[in-house]
Amino acid sequence: QSVLTQPPSVSAAPGQKVTISCSGSSSNIGNNYVSWYQHLPGTAPKLLIYENDKRPSGIPDRFSGSKSGTSATLGITGLQTGDEADYYCGAWDTSLSAGHVLFGGGTKLAVL
Amino acid sequence: EVQLVLSGAEVKKPGESLKISCKGSGYRFTSYWIGWVRQMPGKGLEWMGIIYPGDSDTRYSPSFQGQVTISADKSISTAYLQWSSLKASDTAMYYCVRHVRVAEPPDYWGQGTLVTVSS
Repeated sequence: QSVLTQPPSVSAAPGQKVTISCSGSSSNIGNNYVSWYQHLPGTAPKLLIYENDKRPSGIPDRFSGSKSGTSATLGITGLQTGDEADYYCGAWDTSLSAGHVLFGGGTKLAVL
Repeated sequence: EVQLVLSGAEVKKPGESLKISCKGSGYRFTSYWIGWVRQMPGKGLEWMGIIYPGDSDTRYSPSFQGQVTISADKSISTAYLQWSSLKASDTAMYYCVRHVRVAEPPDYWGQGTLVTVSS
């Protein structure tokens, strides 16, 4: 099962900004909504961004999402040590015989 | 508060059958799709399929079609993921997820349940 392409890891200092990219194709990101998730070890992944750039209630505006063509980006400003986690993008894909959700391979964020 | 509560960890032998469950609460269970996601050790997330408990409409990812069975009992707000003959490669963490719409990624996730298949 193919995946959306994310960098394996990113890092930045507390208080700084980081961006995480998610690259796909016209069968997924290019024509469907993108969501972003934060996954802390031992917990359920949490939705950070849906429909490309919308934040669920309770998600601080330090987290933002954008999409351009077949790529999407998650931005996190004012980094905190509590932001250290794995981040995944996800999008509906129509490339195979049946539609399905594709996830990125995940990006580990280190707040140094 | 939306909650998806999975059944506990399982240790099984190859060839055995298994059915794990996911109970939804805090929302109208029959109005949202419930899906399953696999995460093998050290690997990323793989979406397996979804079911609409309202009418049992079920869709599978091509990678998992024929490998597992997804079902639901709307009377007890519970969805299931079932194997008829487990393989060692089924060892993974399994999450249940909620979808608002079928062609969009999930919004809520359960905490995950570990399935270990070993002789």
